Amino acid sequence: AQRVTQPEKLLSVFKGAPVELKCNYSYSGSPELFWYVQYSRQRLQLLLRHISRESIKGFTADLNKGETSFHLKKPFAQEEDSAMYYCALLNYGGATNKLIFGTGTLLAVQP
Amino acid sequence: DAGVIQSPRHEVTEMGQEVTLRCKPISGHNSLFWYRQTMMRGLELLIYFNNNVPIDDSGMPEDRFSAKMPNASFSTLKIQPSEPRDSAVYFCASSFGARFGELFFGEGSRLTVL
Repeated sequence: AQRVTQPEKLLSVFKGAPVELKCNYSYSGSPELFWYVQYSRQRLQLLLRHISRESIKGFTADLNKGETSFHLKKPFAQEEDSAMYYCALLNYGGATNKLIFGTGTLLAVQP
Repeated sequence: DAGVIQSPRHEVTEMGQEVTLRCKPISGHNSLFWYRQTMMRGLELLIYFNNNVPIDDSGMPEDRFSAKMPNASFSTLKIQPSEPRDSAVYFCASSFGARFGELFFGEGSRLTVL
């Protein structure tokens, strides 16, 4: 079954430390993966998608098909990165394409 | 554009009462999604519409939940009768073409059922 797993509910780091938010997926086809972010009192919004191979706000994510992972990384965390992060998988089902989210990881960056 | 608009932002009701949540998608978007967010289960897709037609309602918990989209600019999610376990944040999102995975979310409706 298609599934997204985020093993950490909470990740606490100090400002300037590296960050890695883990995401593993289960999908039978070629996956299309995304990271969404929800800052305090703001809407859930798209952060980045793997097909774009982009870096947004210093974050990058590499798809590793061998390990079925799509971890989100940033070399130096900032306090403003504190937010809830969701990994998501686009499940192609013919007429029923839909986005499946993980349970989310709360990133807390301490000063 | 003000983005996806949801109402009410907060709803507190008693068990057994009917709850109606409303959503106005972004103009021009042809797909609309209802998600439920809880601490334990994260974001769960309840139902989604494409061109006002329900495409996949497999995530709707049970018959107490129903959703409609009478036109391209309005959708409702109704719970009748409500139960305490329905307490959650309900998000509406819209997109232009579900295939691309870029959803635009509303601010959510926080429901508390006592």
